[in-house]
Amino acid sequence: SQQGEEDPQALSIQEGENATMNCSYKTSINNLQWYRQNSGRGLVHLILIRSNEREKHSGRLRVTLDTSKKSSSLLITASRAADTASYFCATDSASGNQFYFGTGTSLTVIP
Amino acid sequence: ETGVTQTPRHLVMGMTNKKSLKCEQHLGHNAMYWYKQSAKKPLELMFVYSLEERVENNSVPSRFSPECPNSSHLFLHLHTLQPEDSALYLCASSHILPGQGGEKLFFGSGTQLSVL
Repeated sequence: SQQGEEDPQALSIQEGENATMNCSYKTSINNLQWYRQNSGRGLVHLILIRSNEREKHSGRLRVTLDTSKKSSSLLITASRAADTASYFCATDSASGNQFYFGTGTSLTVIP
Repeated sequence: ETGVTQTPRHLVMGMTNKKSLKCEQHLGHNAMYWYKQSAKKPLELMFVYSLEERVENNSVPSRFSPECPNSSHLFLHLHTLQPEDSALYLCASSHILPGQGGEKLFFGSGTQLSVL
């Protein structure tokens, strides 16, 4: 299977703390993406990191990619209650036209 | 508003019914996707229409039938579904540049399907 796998499955933190989520995958990729989903809604793209990149920042988000270990991490700094959601990593197929997701990490930020 | 619109938002159907889910994208993308999201399971890629090619997940039952009449519209025709088909069905679109890898997906809000 090409699907990614997020870890942990669930994470609960206090507002202001940092949240770290991890993703592992099995096959070679062109890029890896992170998405966020609020309950019962569609996914929203957060950040894309290409296979030749090691780290990327966007606002309070920091993503790392280690292609030798086939793993990525998403760090959300100074978390807010509004960050409460599920977070998914997605990997693409060799052809680049198919995207595979895991089961996600459910993040709860307590005010 | 992501630029991808799905209808209906909710659907309840019996196992003998025939219904269709509709998706429309206003982003000028050249690829559209159907995903199934069930509780505690990874998002399942069901069908892809990309660069005039259709890719399908061989594990998807034939009671799900996609149709993509043009690059902006995507349908999922449903017939004789089973209760285990109850899930959130998500449509997405993307712009594919051949040889450059996948770009980000834009998702609709989904259709919550319940099969009785």
